[in-house]
Amino acid sequence: DAGVTQSPTHLIKTRGQQVTLRCSPKSGHDTVSWYQQALGQGPQFIFQYYEEEERQRGNFPDRFSGHQFPNYSSELNVNALLLGDSALYLCASSLMGNEETQYFGPGTRLLVL
Amino acid sequence: ILNVEQSPQSLHVQEGDSTNFTCSFPSSNFYALHWYRWETAKSPEALFVMTLNGDEKKKGRISATLNTKEGYSYLYIKGSQPEDSATYLCAFNHGYGQNFVFGPGTRLSVLP
Repeated sequence: DAGVTQSPTHLIKTRGQQVTLRCSPKSGHDTVSWYQQALGQGPQFIFQYYEEEERQRGNFPDRFSGHQFPNYSSELNVNALLLGDSALYLCASSLMGNEETQYFGPGTRLLVL
Repeated sequence: ILNVEQSPQSLHVQEGDSTNFTCSFPSSNFYALHWYRWETAKSPEALFVMTLNGDEKKKGRISATLNTKEGYSYLYIKGSQPEDSATYLCAFNHGYGQNFVFGPGTRLSVLP
């Protein structure tokens, strides 16, 4: 049983460019959450997708957008990249309900130059 | 804005020492508290989900307690081993289907 997978593992972009990160959830999971982790901080919630819709959103600008596909996989898109967007982006999957644990992927390391 | 704090920020112990660290969270609107272990270059690994005041959970040499009235949880590691070296994250969940709010983590180094 594959766990949560993310691609790519690393990415280098320049300011102003756009980036798409991908996530495949753990088998049987229907909910995908995205987090940004900057150096020295805990993961910060970006948004959550369930039933192909954004259910919740953290304090991130509209440059951050996402999508969930019918197979529950998800994409995170960031437009007009800023230097401050350099971070580790984590995807977590879960099964909607109660206090269900979120299972994390290994992350995508984004560097914006 | 929900704030989750963890202390200490980092910790160095000798192999065989027992250690503990703290997660503080808002005591209102509590739903669940999660502990994760995150080793370098790996995915965060779920350790415990705690929901009831007074909960105590154990997994091998690691255990955790929960006090929802005062808003804190302790994680204990008995007889630390080098493989316990990792960042330990706690995450607060304030409602059904709600997002997790993470603390900044405690970085543990166990020296052989």
